[in-house]
Amino acid sequence: AAGVIQSPRHLIKEKRETATLKCYPIPRHDTVYWYQQGPGQDPQFLISFYEKMQSDKGSIPDRFSAQQFSDYHSELNMSSLELGDSALYFCASSLGFSGNTIYFGEGSWLTVV
Amino acid sequence: DAKTTQPTSMDCAEGRAANLPCNHSTISGNEYVYWYRQIHSQGPQYIIHGLKNNETNEMASLIITEDRKSSTLILPHATLRDTAVYYCIVRVAYSGAGSYQLTFGKGTKLSVIP
Repeated sequence: AAGVIQSPRHLIKEKRETATLKCYPIPRHDTVYWYQQGPGQDPQFLISFYEKMQSDKGSIPDRFSAQQFSDYHSELNMSSLELGDSALYFCASSLGFSGNTIYFGEGSWLTVV
Repeated sequence: DAKTTQPTSMDCAEGRAANLPCNHSTISGNEYVYWYRQIHSQGPQYIIHGLKNNETNEMASLIITEDRKSSTLILPHATLRDTAVYYCIVRVAYSGAGSYQLTFGKGTKLSVIP
């Protein structure tokens, strides 16, 4: 079965640079979630979208922005990167907004040097 | 979402059943209990969820107490590949307020021992 696809899988950026992560949800899924997992930490919710509209916001820094496009894929844009942004970023998707099971991608490793 | 409490770590012998407990004493009537696991640095994997009845699928069984204040995830025959961090998460089914994301707590690190 098709899963959530994330790209790139690994990314190395320098401080103050910009990075963009992409997420392709499971076909027919209309809701996308972004999570950040720092070293030794548990996944932390950043932001979610339903039907191309932002639906909920967690601990996403102001330097980060995200959007969901008409084909339901999503992009997380991170600017003015800091060393502390080095983390594993997960995208997840679900069908419909209320309570349907959420499925995660394999994540994108971002290393800021 | 209600807070959950899980043991920090557990060991289980290979081939034996792994029973992972979770306390969620403040759970509301419209909140489900979800279980996910994360094998080292991979994406969290959905295991099972339930509202108030016991549930079983090909991966595991979920036993929810009658008062819904606690639950147990059962892996019937643990293998080395089941070594992972297991997260018990309470998630609202529908409230109209729009907060349906999963909130991860600390989880239980399960080590399956040969």
